[in-house]
Amino acid sequence: SQQGEEDPQALSIQEGENATMNCSYKTSINNLQWYRQNSGRGLVHLILIRSNEREKHSGRLRVTLDTSKKSSSLLITASRAADTASYFCATGQGAQKLVFGQGTRLTINP
Amino acid sequence: DVKVTQSSRYLVKRTGEKVFLECVQDMDHENMFWYRQDPGLGLRLIYFSYDVKMKEKGDIPEGYSVSREKKERFSLILESTSTNQTSMYLCASSANIRTGGFDQPQHFGDGTRLSIL
Repeated sequence: SQQGEEDPQALSIQEGENATMNCSYKTSINNLQWYRQNSGRGLVHLILIRSNEREKHSGRLRVTLDTSKKSSSLLITASRAADTASYFCATGQGAQKLVFGQGTRLTINP
Repeated sequence: DVKVTQSSRYLVKRTGEKVFLECVQDMDHENMFWYRQDPGLGLRLIYFSYDVKMKEKGDIPEGYSVSREKKERFSLILESTSTNQTSMYLCASSANIRTGGFDQPQHFGDGTRLSIL
C-alpha cells in the first residue's frame, strides 16, 4: 500500500527559484526519507529525517517534518537545470521496509 | 559508495517466457528488495529478503518469485510472463537494523525496463 502522497504531482519553475514539495502520510513512522530519480534511472537517496527531528539541511536541500500533521516538505533552494527529476518521499515504519509515494515531477526551466 | 548492479537495462520477451532479473550489491547489505514502477502507481514492493535464503512477500508478489542463495545476489523470477508485467523493475539494498539502526537508506540499481510482447 502506498502511504506517502506527494503534492503537487508536477511542478515547473524557473532556474534560480525555490521548489517546495510536500508529502503526507497516514500512520506513525520512525523516519521519512526523500529520494530523487532522474529519467530512466534508479532512485538516489537525498536525505533522511527521524521522527524526533523537525528540520534537516543538506546543501541546498531543507526537509521539515511535522509528525502532528503527518506531513513533510522538501525545499530545494536556488534551483538548477540539473535538479529536474522526480522526487519521492518514503516512510519507514519500524522495519526495513519503506513505503514510497507516487512522486513529484519537477521541471526547472532555463 | 554502494553499488547495486542490475544485469540488464532493457529486456524484451514474449508472453509465457521465463525471465530472470539479477541484482548484485557490493556493500555486504543484509536487506535486498525488488520493486516495480509504473506510471501513476509509483513504486510497489514485490519481494524483499532479510538474509540469505530468506524471503518475504511484498505488496504485489503474484506472478513473481525470488531467490537469494548468496548475500550479494537477489534474483527476481517471472515464471510465465504476461503483458501486464511490462514495467520498470528496480532492485535496492540496505543495511540491517541490527547493525545499522532503523534509519537506513535504500540504495537502488538503475533498473531494468522489461517489455512483454
